[in-house]
Amino acid sequence: DIQMTQSPSSLSASVGDRVTITCRASQSISSYLNWYQQTPGKAPKLLIYAASSLQSGVPSRFSGSGSGTDFSLTISSLQPEDFATYYCQQSYNTLKYTFGQGTKLEIK
Amino acid sequence: EVQLLESGGGLVQPGGSLRLSCAASGFTFSSYAMSWVRQAPGKGLEWVSVIYSGGSSTYYADSVKGRFTISRDNSKNTLYLQMNSLRPEDTAVYYCAKGRYYYGSGSYYYFDYWGQGTLVTVSS
Repeated sequence: DIQMTQSPSSLSASVGDRVTITCRASQSISSYLNWYQQTPGKAPKLLIYAASSLQSGVPSRFSGSGSGTDFSLTISSLQPEDFATYYCQQSYNTLKYTFGQGTKLEIK
Repeated sequence: EVQLLESGGGLVQPGGSLRLSCAASGFTFSSYAMSWVRQAPGKGLEWVSVIYSGGSSTYYADSVKGRFTISRDNSKNTLYLQMNSLRPEDTAVYYCAKGRYYYGSGSYYYFDYWGQGTLVTVSS
């Protein structure tokens, strides 16, 4: 099975900060990597697919990069609504999709 | 507008069974793969199962294989998850999620819409 490991597990930042979250796969997954945002009590929301493609309607301050085993999600200038938990997910193995453990982004 | 509405959650004793439903609207249900994803209280997301558009291809996480069965009724635009031999560790909010492919240099798959979730509690 492909294991996805995110770092850090939690992060404190301020409005306006630039923040980067990383995700590492246990084997190469090319660009088969998606990012989701979840706020408390809500369903996850797709932000980035295929490692770097921005989902329609998602603000351009969100960007994704990487390929192979190492990926990152960057928020260029944090807004109050961005404080949430972020998950990466691999879709390389179409028989068994897996998520990272999540990164909780909190207000400093 | 795409809508996914889960139902069927509730309290069940260990060893019991439950069937979840996900009513879909706003898209051609029969053309898309669908998944169940769960989230235990205070924990992260765990993919549970996928069923591809034809309904004949189904796959499961190791944690539920042999106990859960995913199915779909394309005439009713509804996704199901039959859960048997339930365990306390199956306690979670269960989300249905619509899958979509992006055809770039590869066939990239992602979950573009999610339901609001239904809570399953396994406890005596």
